[in-house]
Amino acid sequence: ILNVEQSPQSLHVQEGDSTNFTCSFPSSNFYALHWYRWETAKSPEALFVMTLNGDEKKKGRISATLNTKEGYSYLYIKGSQPEDSATYLCAFRSSNTGKLIFGQGTTLQVKP
Amino acid sequence: DSGVTQTPKHLITATGQRVTLRCSPRSGDLSVYWYQQSLDQGLQFLIQYYNGEERAKGNILERFSAQQFPDLHSELNLSSLELGDSALYFCASSVGAGKHTFGSGTRLTVV
Repeated sequence: ILNVEQSPQSLHVQEGDSTNFTCSFPSSNFYALHWYRWETAKSPEALFVMTLNGDEKKKGRISATLNTKEGYSYLYIKGSQPEDSATYLCAFRSSNTGKLIFGQGTTLQVKP
Repeated sequence: DSGVTQTPKHLITATGQRVTLRCSPRSGDLSVYWYQQSLDQGLQFLIQYYNGEERAKGNILERFSAQQFPDLHSELNLSSLELGDSALYFCASSVGAGKHTFGSGTRLTVV
């Protein structure tokens, strides 16, 4: 069974705070790790697709790192804004299946 | 607009019935994926098609089936519906194994 775990489950921060979440995934048969942002009443939107150990990706104030040997990825948000409030999903794709296995997500609430 | 079109947006039907959900992928994307999101559950992978052929299968019930047509649109058929099948069903498409582009989902309510 492929398990993708995200922590924390939810997070409340003040505007301007920096924050980070963790995604843990199987360290064997790694193919790719995806991060998505899912706002209420919308559909998930891709942030990053990471494939190489040590990869770091950045999009504005959001960045992500990847460690495939130990099976984790961090997502960082610098200077959180209310519009960053959403659920952040990570998803693991193994090299021997076509499935994308999603974690349960981290729900971020940024208070003005 | 993500480029992935799902219809209908909402569907209310009775137990025992059969419904068909439709998905048109983003132009150029050959892969189509179906996901189910039930209450308090994350996105559960159902099935993937690539250029008309089934590529991967998740925990899809035998009462459910899908196909991808030559024009690359896909349909998810749900039959003998039960109350527990009420969920948000998402379609996503991708170029190969890259990032998913999601549709806006179909909310199915079985009464």
